[in-house]
Amino acid sequence: QSALTQPPSASGSPGQSVTISCTGTSSDVGNYDYVSWYQQHPGKAPKLMIYEVSKRPSGVPDRFSGSKSGNTASLTVSRLQAEDEADYYCSSYAGSNNFVFGTGTKVTVL
Amino acid sequence: EVQLVESGGGLVQPGGSLRLSCAASGFTFNNYWMTWVRQAPGKGLEWVANIKQDGSEKFHVDSVKGRFSISRDNAKNSLYLQMNSLRAEDTAVYYCARSPLTFDYWGQGTLVTVSS
Repeated sequence: QSALTQPPSASGSPGQSVTISCTGTSSDVGNYDYVSWYQQHPGKAPKLMIYEVSKRPSGVPDRFSGSKSGNTASLTVSRLQAEDEADYYCSSYAGSNNFVFGTGTKVTVL
Repeated sequence: EVQLVESGGGLVQPGGSLRLSCAASGFTFNNYWMTWVRQAPGKGLEWVANIKQDGSEKFHVDSVKGRFSISRDNAKNSLYLQMNSLRAEDTAVYYCARSPLTFDYWGQGTLVTVSS
């Protein structure tokens, strides 16, 4: 199972928006609505930000939103804040109890 | 408050064994699938294994099949990962996470270093 493809980096100024893509195949992202997004600060554990493509767990700001079209999912962070600077990973269920993560995107707040 | 606390990591020689533990609290442990995810230094996340609520179903990523085994003890609210025949490429921080289809809570991780 190959990793989902994410851009290595993305950036934006405070107050701006940034969108991260996550490209898989018809066997994972394209076939299941179990796409999640995780935020990871250096030296910390990942934190769930979006699940089932576009749902936000309690406590996650509504500045974070998710969507999916075909084999590509996206995470948008609106109204960027300094604390949003982190690595972001997508993940997808891939059938037969397999899961695949994305390659990761480092978001920099300029 | 949901808490997951991993332990058991350390330095081990190639070919050696380690048993990781994850102590769970703050939720009804036997109601949830549980998962191990690892992250090699400077690299991305990799799903390793998961286990059904009663332990009757277990799944492992191909790269660890036959070497690693996930298990759980619901009476102790604990998850385990027995790792045998360790290789340098198994060096990573190992996280336990609550599942099944979304990893909604994670532990802080435990570092496993495989080196001579």
